[in-house]
Formats: sequence, structure tokens, C-alpha cells
Amino acid sequence: AAGVIQSPRHLIKEKRETATLKCYPIPRHDTVYWYQQGPGQDPQFLISFYEKMQSDKGSIPDRFSAQQFSDYHSELNMSSLELGDSALYFCASSLYKRDGHYNEQFFGPGTRLTVL
Amino acid sequence: KQEVTQIPAALSVPEGENLVLNCSFTDSAIYNLQWFRQDPGKGLTSLLLIQSSQREQTSGRLNASLDKSSGRSTLYIAASQPGDSATYLCAVRDNQGGKLIFGQGTELSVKP
Repeated sequence: AAGVIQSPRHLIKEKRETATLKCYPIPRHDTVYWYQQGPGQDPQFLISFYEKMQSDKGSIPDRFSAQQFSDYHSELNMSSLELGDSALYFCASSLYKRDGHYNEQFFGPGTRLTVL
Repeated sequence: KQEVTQIPAALSVPEGENLVLNCSFTDSAIYNLQWFRQDPGKGLTSLLLIQSSQREQTSGRLNASLDKSSGRSTLYIAASQPGDSATYLCAVRDNQGGKLIFGQGTELSVKP
């Protein structure tokens, strides 16, 4: 079965540079979530999109922006990178609601961002 | 604000033992709860999803229960194997927007 695809898997950047992370959800999933997991930390929600519209926003810095495109893939853009942005960034997708129940979120393998 | 706590933070057991991982949450108004497995430096693998209206879910050697009123969930692993060694995370689905709120995880080590 198709899974969530994230690219790149690894990314090394210098301070103050920009980075773009991409996420391709499971086919027919209409919702995408972005999470950040720092070293030794639990994943923290950043932002989500439902049907290409932002649906929720968490502790996402103003330096970060994201969008979901017409083909449902999503991109997380990160500017003025800081050392503290080094983390594992996960994208998850789900089918928003079916039969009255909210469905499980399936996670991609993550992008490991290292800021030097 | 929803807070999720997992106890214990780490657990080491001999192979073959049955074990229970605990998860508690402060706000019982959740839509569902997911248990995940994470290997070091890897992604999150969804193990079980329990809807708020359900009491338990089973998949193979795994059984997860949910007591929404008391804000607790348990993950029972039967006949543990060394391949079960990983960090197990529980996450509750927020009732506004649908984001997952994670616990800190339980790091499980199963010794041969």
C-alpha cells in the first residue's frame, strides 16, 4: 500500500539559509499535518491543511510557512534557519472524516534537518 | 490545555514477558487515541487507533484500551520479543482541528 512520501530525507543547511520540505500524502487523503520532533522530544504539531486550506496552526514560527497544492502535496518553507530548527520533520496524512469518525493519521518517514 | 503523560519513561523486560504501557491525558474531550511505535531516528508507525466511543482495540499481540472518563489508555503487549524494542508513543486527537498531542513516550527494551 502507498505510504506518505517525504523529500528530502536528509537536509543540511547553514544558519540563515532557507529550506523547503515536501510531503506527498497517501492517495485520496485530503488532510495533511506537519510535526516537528526535536532530539529526545515528542512530536509537536506545526500546521495542518484540509482540502488545500489551512485548518489548524500550532507552535509554528513566523519564519515558517506552508501550503497544500491542487494535487494535495504540501510544502513546508523555512527561512532564516536557526540552530534550534535542527529536528526531524514529519508529515502525516489522513482522510478527514468517514462514517462519523475521525481517521488515523499515517506518518511519513520524516526529513532530518540539520542546521550548522 | 491537553497534556499527555506516559509512564514509565523506560522499561526493560526479558523476552516472553507480558507488559503494559500507560498513557494518561488531562482533558477527556478527545476524538480518538493512537498508539505509535518509533525506532531510533525513524518515523512513526501507527499501531492502533481507538475511537472515543470504543473501549479497546486489538491487533495481533497488541491490545489497547481506553477509559475516556478517567483519561487513561493502556497498551498491552503479549509475549514480548526483542523485535518489540522501540519507543512507544500515545497521542490523543485534539477536538479542535484534529492535531495529535503526543506523550513523551516509553522506551521499551526486550532482552533476549
